[in-house]
Amino acid sequence: EAGVAQSPRYKIIEKRQSVAFWCNPISGHATLYWYQQILGQGPKLLIQFQNNGVVDDSQLPKDRFSAERLKGVDSTLKIQPAKLEDSAVYLCASSLELAGGYEQFFGPGTRLTVL
Amino acid sequence: AQKVTQAQTEISVVEKEDVTLDCVYETRDTTYYLFWYKQPPSGELVFLIRRNSFDEQNEISGRYSWNFQKSTSSFNFTITASQVVDSAVYFCALSEASVGAQKLVFGQGTRLTINP
Repeated sequence: EAGVAQSPRYKIIEKRQSVAFWCNPISGHATLYWYQQILGQGPKLLIQFQNNGVVDDSQLPKDRFSAERLKGVDSTLKIQPAKLEDSAVYLCASSLELAGGYEQFFGPGTRLTVL
Repeated sequence: AQKVTQAQTEISVVEKEDVTLDCVYETRDTTYYLFWYKQPPSGELVFLIRRNSFDEQNEISGRYSWNFQKSTSSFNFTITASQVVDSAVYFCALSEASVGAQKLVFGQGTRLTINP
């Protein structure tokens, strides 16, 4: 079974530029998550989708971050414009169901460096 | 609010030593889940274990064991006879059980280095 795919793996941009990350979850997984992991910290949830609907985006900085999951499969996370403090690894995860206790499977992440 | 604390930022031991990683959590929910994930240098988070709040039995899987104590809100992880391949960052995480609120709240992580 293929795991969660993410691209690109690495991205370097200058502040105020835009960037987009892509995620393809495990086939059949209804729930998709985007986490931000700043160096030396644990991942922090940015947004959670159930199929193509948003369940929780309370920690998403909506003035610059946006995400969508059209057709309930792939997802894209965008930052526009980027700030220095956005430098982090962006992790995508998926789980079979939304109910508590389901294991989340993580992708390899996209390491973003903002100069 | 939910919170997970891993007080040990870094641990370094010599191969074959036993090592315990501490995890303390806070939640007002009566039903919740606890997890441990491993993050090797490659960066991908690897699931190790899940425990629900009603199951306080300790669990052993090979060289790994977990001790869940609700009375002290702790979910500690022990590696017996550590190996160099165990070197990684380990995260403890907590999630609610209710539908629609399954986000994982992670601790800060413990960087474990096993020296040969």
